[in-house]
Parts: sequence; structure tokens; C-alpha cells
Amino acid sequence: DVKVTQSSRYLVKRTGEKVFLECVQDMDHENMFWYRQDPGLGLRLIYFSYDVKMKEKGDIPEGYSVSREKKERFSLILESASTNQTSMYLCASSLGETGLQETQYFGPGTRLLVL
Amino acid sequence: QKEVEQNSGPLSVPEGAIASLNCTYSDRGSQSFFWYRQYSGKSPELIMSIYSNGDKEDGRFTAQLNKASQYVSLLIRDSQPSDSATYLCAVWNGNQFYFGTGTSLTVIP
Repeated sequence: DVKVTQSSRYLVKRTGEKVFLECVQDMDHENMFWYRQDPGLGLRLIYFSYDVKMKEKGDIPEGYSVSREKKERFSLILESASTNQTSMYLCASSLGETGLQETQYFGPGTRLLVL
Repeated sequence: QKEVEQNSGPLSVPEGAIASLNCTYSDRGSQSFFWYRQYSGKSPELIMSIYSNGDKEDGRFTAQLNKASQYVSLLIRDSQPSDSATYLCAVWNGNQFYFGTGTSLTVIP
């Protein structure tokens, strides 16, 4: 079974703090993704990575950065947390290099509250 | 126009009935289609994937794909209260995944 884990299920931070969200997958997947999910807005792609040390901006990268130093780990960084970054953050991975039959698997999510 | 569109619902069906969830997509080049189930406060869980036209059955779930009409559906037979969740339709176009905003399903005992 594919397993995607995230470092925290719940996190409370103060405005201006630097926040690190960690994601690890154990299936040797090439591709990793970070989304945020908010009521009425659905899943929105923040950043993704198709290889180690590679990153691409998604639809809403502002205020975020990412790091992928190892294949299994993809970190999302909020440089200076703001209240509008309160959200559910979801990490996902997919095998990559499979052409058309790509499937994405999600971690359990991190619910972040910024006060 | 959104890449993937779903009726947001809510959709309510009685226990034992068939629930029908629908999804349309805009990119004709899309080749892989997925249905995820998401319980409140949890992450999406993959329940079905379909790659070619026609029906694909897995237990009580049937996914239907019509590429000519750019339409994907999910049928849940013998609906159970435990099926109450939000169902997300997703599409892979070879470069990126696109998700609908989800349809909320409530199965009434």
C-alpha cells in the first residue's frame, strides 16, 4: 500500500511565524504535490515536484516555498504565516513516468490555524 | 470555464438506493479519471480509477466514462449511511491533475 505521511495533524501558529510542513512517502514516487483545501474552493495546488531538487509553482504559490532534498520528502514552508493561510494542507504523491495512468495518493492532511 | 465541474449538491438518497454522481471535464486530451471519497475533516481516499470508455465495476461502485461527451460518473449501489461523504472527481491530462470541488452525498437511514 502507498503510504503518505504528514508531520502534524493539527498545528497552531502565530502570525509572522515560520512554519514547516513535512511530507514523506514510502513508495519511491517521483511526483509530490502540496494542496490547500478550503470550504467552497476545493483543492488548490500550491507547488509540485517531479524530481529531487526540482519544484514548480502551482496555482497559488504566493506566501509559500518548498524544498525537496530527498526523493521521499517534500516540505512546504510558510515564510511568515498569516491568518489567511489558515487551512487544511494536503500532501500527495504519484508514481511518475507512467504516462497516462497516473494515480495520486494523499496524506492525512495538516489542519493549520494561524492566530 | 473550470477544468472539472461537479454539482456541489447536497445529494440525498435513502439507504439502499442508487446514488449517481456526475462530472464533466474540459480538456479533450485527458486520459485518466478518478473518484475520491472524502469524509469530513479527513483527506481524499481513492475509490475508483477509469481509463477507457465504458463501465468499470468494483463492488458497489461503478465508474462510467464517455470521452466523446467528456463525462464521468460514479454510481453507488445499495447506498449505506457510511457512504455519506464528499466525492471528488479528478482528471489527469498527462501533465497535471485537476479536481472538481466535490459533491456532498448524504445517505438517509
